[in-house]
Amino acid sequence: DIQMTQSPSSLSASVGDRVTITCQASQDISNYLNWYQQKPGKAPNLVIYDASNLETGVPSRFSGSGSGTDFTFTISSLQPEDIATYYCQQYDNLPRAFGGGTKVEIK
Amino acid sequence: QVQLVESGGGLVKPGGSLRLSCAASGFTFSDYYMSWIRQAPGKGLEWVSYISSSGNSIYYADSVKGRFTISRDNAKNSLYLQMNSLRAEDTAMYYCATDPETPYGMDVWGQGTTVTVSS
Repeated sequence: DIQMTQSPSSLSASVGDRVTITCQASQDISNYLNWYQQKPGKAPNLVIYDASNLETGVPSRFSGSGSGTDFTFTISSLQPEDIATYYCQQYDNLPRAFGGGTKVEIK
Repeated sequence: QVQLVESGGGLVKPGGSLRLSCAASGFTFSDYYMSWIRQAPGKGLEWVSYISSSGNSIYYADSVKGRFTISRDNAKNSLYLQMNSLRAEDTAMYYCATDPETPYGMDVWGQGTTVTVSS
């Protein structure tokens, strides 16, 4: 089974800061990786699909990169509405796997 | 509009059973691979089970294998999760969602239904 290691588990940054989250797969998953944003009490919302494609309607300050085993999720300029927990998910293989999540807070 | 609506959650004693349902609307349900994902209180997302569009291919997380059964009825645009031999550690919000493997598919999640296993 593929394991997804996400880091950091939490971070605190100022409005306008660049924020970076990483996700590492235990084996090659090509670009079969999604990034989700989850706000408290809500279902997850897709932000990035196929590792680097911005979902329709998502602000362009969000981006993703990587392939194979190493992936990066970036918020170029953190905004107050970006406060949430972010998860990566691989869909190259079954069983599916999520990363442990990164809680993003405002400093 | 495009949506998934879960139902069937509730409070159940350890060893008991529940059947979750997920009603799809606004898209061609029969084209989509589907998954159940859960989230224990204060914890991260855990994938639970997958079913292909035809229902011929099914997978489970090791934590639920042998206790949970996923199924679908494409004529009724519905997805199900039969949960037996429930344990305290099954307590979670359960979401149904379209699976990312669906060719050219949308990413759709329900609002979730809460399952609490407690005596």
